[in-house]
Amino acid sequence: QKEVEQNSGPLSVPEGAIASLNCTYSDRGSQSFFWYRQYSGKSPELIMSIYSNGDKEDGRFTAQLNKASQYVSLLIRDSQPSDSATYLCAAIRGPGRRALTFGSGTRLQVQP
Amino acid sequence: KAGVTQTPRYLIKTRGQQVTLSCSPISGHRSVSWYQQTPGQGLQFLFEYFSETQRNKGNFPGRFSGRQFSNSRSEMNVSTLELGDSALYLCASSLEAGGGEQFFGPGTRLTVL
Repeated sequence: QKEVEQNSGPLSVPEGAIASLNCTYSDRGSQSFFWYRQYSGKSPELIMSIYSNGDKEDGRFTAQLNKASQYVSLLIRDSQPSDSATYLCAAIRGPGRRALTFGSGTRLQVQP
Repeated sequence: KAGVTQTPRYLIKTRGQQVTLSCSPISGHRSVSWYQQTPGQGLQFLFEYFSETQRNKGNFPGRFSGRQFSNSRSEMNVSTLELGDSALYLCASSLEAGGGEQFFGPGTRLTVL
């Protein structure tokens, strides 16, 4: 079992819709969670971090964390074609404790 | 602030050769992590350096090594290259050791023939 699991997709949504990306993790010691976006041919860029249970909103992005269910999600409201990319979920136990572990990513396609 | 820089951007080597990749972190960042990215395996952690010390190491053979200099710049070396080493090698910098908020460089695309 991979430590961080994501559906590879592609997840296809129409422009203007809400895209929901999901991630589960197996290490109950994980404390911090991150979403990175990677455009084709580019390197990953950090878009959201979440450290406690509940929702965290930043513009059109909302990250959700449920530690009891070991589940992290990213919602993208009003999806735009420019949001088409691979979204990587990552988890870490804590600063200085083991390395950041990435999922394999979900490819999102936003159809105009 | 300038971002993370990596050199070279592209490399073509043959089996058995060795290669050295370089990474300069964001100014003020003291942690540098290296990753290998392939279509089949995704993003895999190689190692992390903080204050010139290796803090964490991934599950890669000893042919993969690295170091960090006093100015936080880092290099990674791969000896006795194999075809399977063809990949995008990414370095990322962060403020603290083991930090999850990492900033990636553009990567070095290594092709082994």
